[in-house]
Amino acid sequence: QVQLQESGPGLMKPSETLFLTCTVSGGSISTYYWSWIRQAPGKGLEWIGDMYDSGTTNYKSSLKSRVTISLDTPKNQFSLKLTSVTAGDTAVYYCARGTVGGAMGHWGQGTLVTVSS
Amino acid sequence: QSVLTQPPSVSGAPGQRVTISCTGTSSNIGAGYDVHWYQQLPGTAPKLLIYGNNNRPSGVPDRFSGSKSGTSASLAITGLQAEDEADYYCQSFDSRLSGSLFGGGTKLAVL
Repeated sequence: QVQLQESGPGLMKPSETLFLTCTVSGGSISTYYWSWIRQAPGKGLEWIGDMYDSGTTNYKSSLKSRVTISLDTPKNQFSLKLTSVTAGDTAVYYCARGTVGGAMGHWGQGTLVTVSS
Repeated sequence: QSVLTQPPSVSGAPGQRVTISCTGTSSNIGAGYDVHWYQQLPGTAPKLLIYGNNNRPSGVPDRFSGSKSGTSASLAITGLQAEDEADYYCQSFDSRLSGSLFGGGTKLAVL
């Protein structure tokens, strides 16, 4: 059974760079789509971006200038880098595994990132 | 405001049938892209409920069904149960945005 687990800093200050890692167990990271989604407190789901074919990425247009998603195949991990964070980036961040067509069948439990001075 | 429009809330009594709509445009649902549905129970990660418009992953009860027509999709829940009280999200791909997107979400209350 595939399992995903996010890890990250928890609390950050404005203008810092966020690094989140998603560790995948029970399956190889070399196939499928690997996505990041976030959910601000009390709000809906927001797709951030995804990576597939070990190199092809798609990002939400409004975040594109600040986001990088990458894969670490030997470690079976993928990561999210978000630069210049603001309070508006405060959210629970989820990693997920998707398939062609976009359905995300496996999710991590989520990690809360709070941006505050 | 999301490009995929869902009603903020729906409600129903136990045993009843409810539907949740997801209205898109010609660049997403209307362009033929699949619609997927997720259930998010309070304090938990979303769970895939329906994929590819009308397919249920293993373990999802057949009380849940999906459909798609034109620029809209719907999730139907029959035999409503208290445990169905959750937030529900639709998701599709948008060619104009070149990425995935979620609907704004619908809170289901079981009265």
